[in-house]
Amino acid sequence: EPEVTQTPSHQVTQMGQEVILRCVPISNHLYFYWYRQILGQKVEFLVSFYNNEISEKSEIFDDQFSVERPDGSNFTLKIRSTKLEDSAMYFCASSSLGPLLNTEAFFGQGTRLTVV
Amino acid sequence: QKEVEQDPGPLSVPEGAIVSLNCTYSNSAFQYFMWYRQYSRKGPELLMYTYSSGNKEDGRFTAQVDKSSKYISLFIRDSQPSDSATYLCALGESRMDSSYKLIFGSGTRLLVRP
Repeated sequence: EPEVTQTPSHQVTQMGQEVILRCVPISNHLYFYWYRQILGQKVEFLVSFYNNEISEKSEIFDDQFSVERPDGSNFTLKIRSTKLEDSAMYFCASSSLGPLLNTEAFFGQGTRLTVV
Repeated sequence: QKEVEQDPGPLSVPEGAIVSLNCTYSNSAFQYFMWYRQYSRKGPELLMYTYSSGNKEDGRFTAQVDKSSKYISLFIRDSQPSDSATYLCALGESRMDSSYKLIFGSGTRLLVRP
């Protein structure tokens, strides 16, 4: 069964460092998303990406964050200068079409980011 | 008022019980309603998806949406220990480019005792 793959599963980084979280969405999917979940809190929407551009971003997704689809398969989330409060589980998701066409958004297993 | 409210539990039931999980919401623009299951330190896994008021059944799971009351439910029949997980409701509204933007509840932790 196709799945969304995220690497690494756990990333530890020092405050102020740049990190890149990587995702390989399901191959024929068109829409890509990042969500995050701070330990013990809700899953929160960060950004959606379609047709090689950001279609929507939340207020969490400030100038420190960026997304890129550098080739036909990878979808990355970059945090330019990490802060302690960026420590969370980051989930990538993808969907072939939108919800109105009854298609599912599949989530990856997540990357646990720990900023020290 | 929070957009989506969900009782965090934990909810502990004996094996075989019927489980009822619920969310309320405030934004009447929400048009699609989902239930995800999340095991510890794993990604959310879609269980049920509904687009309108009413019931939808899939095996032991029934999703119910009442848009007039802004209330959604997930029922699990004949619960099993393997159903022990956190259950997340997720709601969304239609967007111009048809993309998803899901608003999640805080999740209800369910424990099914053998």
